[in-house]
Amino acid sequence: ETVLTQSPSTLSLSTGERAALSCRASQTVISSYVAWYQQRPGQPPRLLIYGASNRATDIPDRFSGSGSGTDFTLTISRLEPEDFAIYYCGLYGSSPLLTFGPGTKVDIK
Amino acid sequence: QVRLLESGPVLVKPSQTLTLTCTVSGGSVNSGDHYWGWIRQPPGKGLEWVGYIADSGSAYHNPSLKGRLSISVDRSKNLLSLKLSSVTGADTAMYYCSGAGGRIDNSNYFYRYFDYWGQGTRVTVSS
Repeated sequence: ETVLTQSPSTLSLSTGERAALSCRASQTVISSYVAWYQQRPGQPPRLLIYGASNRATDIPDRFSGSGSGTDFTLTISRLEPEDFAIYYCGLYGSSPLLTFGPGTKVDIK
Repeated sequence: QVRLLESGPVLVKPSQTLTLTCTVSGGSVNSGDHYWGWIRQPPGKGLEWVGYIADSGSAYHNPSLKGRLSISVDRSKNLLSLKLSSVTGADTAMYYCSGAGGRIDNSNYFYRYFDYWGQGTRVTVSS
């Protein structure tokens, strides 16, 4: 079983700042198996990044994903007001077949 | 545009069976490009994959649900269903219907991710 850890648990930033969110796997994973999701308050999650670095449909280019091995990063280049949310990384192919990290909350400083 | 609409009881008693349905519109449960299933989120907590079903009818479940789970599709109605037996308070959650697309990467690894989500239906298990 591969466990995902996300850090920090909370990130306090201002609009316009850059955010870097970390997702670490307990063992080496295939990079493509990593995805990122955004969940705004009271909303279902939304796919941001699949295959570690591919933006999903209609996702702005200020969102980017990177990483390999055990360490993956979601970067938001310039925070917009609508970006304050919880972000989850997700992993395919482990046991259970799909798992999620505990999430990073990005809130307004 | 694919839309997923969950429905089911708000309150279920412990030890009973929870039954939820999801109507898929703008897409088909018969298509091979997506698996259709469920993800849940206990109040104030993170996401947990419940399971999904392929167009072939093969179902994949989270082992943590230990044989209590059944996922099925009604192809004529484009409807997805979940049955979770012997529920306890630990099953209290928002249940999201989801569609999992898939891709093959440059190294020929196939992977899935959830690109379609319903708004969710809240279920409380309590006597």
